[in-house]
Order: sequence, then C-alpha cells, then structure tokens
Amino acid sequence: AQSVAQPEDQVNVAEGNPLTVKCTYSVSGNPYLFWYVQYPNRGLQFLLKYITGDNLVKGSYGFEAEFNKSQTSFHLKKPSALVSDSALYFCATNTGFQKLVFGTGTRLLVSP
Amino acid sequence: ETGVTQTPRHLVMGMTNKKSLKCEQHLGHNAMYWYKQSAKKPLELMFVYSLEERVENNSVPSRFSPECPNSSHLFLHLHTLQPEDSALYLCASSPGGVINEKLFFGSGTQLSVL
Repeated sequence: AQSVAQPEDQVNVAEGNPLTVKCTYSVSGNPYLFWYVQYPNRGLQFLLKYITGDNLVKGSYGFEAEFNKSQTSFHLKKPSALVSDSALYFCATNTGFQKLVFGTGTRLLVSP
Repeated sequence: ETGVTQTPRHLVMGMTNKKSLKCEQHLGHNAMYWYKQSAKKPLELMFVYSLEERVENNSVPSRFSPECPNSSHLFLHLHTLQPEDSALYLCASSPGGVINEKLFFGSGTQLSVL
C-alpha cells in the first residue's frame, strides 16, 4: 500500500540555522509527494509537491524538498529557519485519485 | 483565508446529542473531503465527494453521516458519538481534475464528546 512515514515527532532548530524535516515513502510506480504545513488553530496549507522531473522542488515561504529515489525520501528543507516557521508539518502521497494520505506529522520548533 | 469555511469552530456534545458540522467552499471546486485529525495519528480520510457523488467511504462508523447537497457545501451529521470521536474535523476541497492536485483546507471544527 502507498504510504509515507515521518520518523521524527519533533525537530528543534535555532533561528537562522538550516532545517530538515524527514519523510520517507513506500509507493509503487512513480510517486506523487506533497508537503503541507499546519499553523496553530488552522487547517493544513499546501507547501509544495513532487510529480516528476527535477529532484529539487521549490515551494512556498522559502521551503524546498529533495526527492531521492534511491533512499525513497522526500525531506523538507529550508536554508535559514525563522521563528514563524514553527508549526506542524505533514508529508503526504496519493493512493489513488482524490485519495491523499498523510504521515503522522512532525512538529518544528524554531527557537529565537 | 483559504476559501474553505467551516462552522462551528468548536463543538461540545454529549453522547446522545445530534449535531452537524458545516463546510462551504468558495473556490468553484468539484471535490470535497472530510478528514479526522487526532493527536499522534495520521490524518484519516473519512469521506470524499466528487460532483456531489460520494466516491470514498473509508469504513467510517454509521454514527457519522455525510451530506453534499451541492458542490459548494458539505455537511457531517453526528449522532450517538463516543468519547474517542473527539478530534479536529477538517474539511477540504480540490478542483477535482487530476490525481496530483493540491487540497485546500478549512480551519477545522474541534469536537469534544463528553
């Protein structure tokens, strides 16, 4: 079955440092992979997606993600973290048409 | 503002009550979804509607009953819920055209069942 896994419940990083939020996938065929962010008391917001082509995908708010087929990973990255990036981040993949499944989420805490 | 509005934002209900959650999208989308978000668990896809027809029902208990009267509105009717049904219920919509399209989420209804 198509799925994604987020191995870290929480990631802590200091403001100004680079951040990485990890995601691995288990997908047959060509994967469609997504990152969403959830700020407190809000719904999820789309950040970026990988369909095919360039392995480095650029998204909203300065985030990017690197697709690595050999490691079956799709890690979310940002060169310089902001306190305002503190939120819950979800990796997701399609298991069929109009069927998006999500990981358990990783809480990112950026300290001043 | 994502264009997807959910009401109420918070709901407390007893196990014998009947209540409804409402979702409205102003994006002209053809697909609408209900997701359940519980702590430390993946988001659970509950129902999918495409052009007002239910296309997905992930073995959700019958105490949850969805209704999609038109492509802009989606309801989740609740009755005789259990305390373990307490969660954040998220509505989402998408254009409904391709497999890899992004979803637009509302802010959710935080439900507490006493």
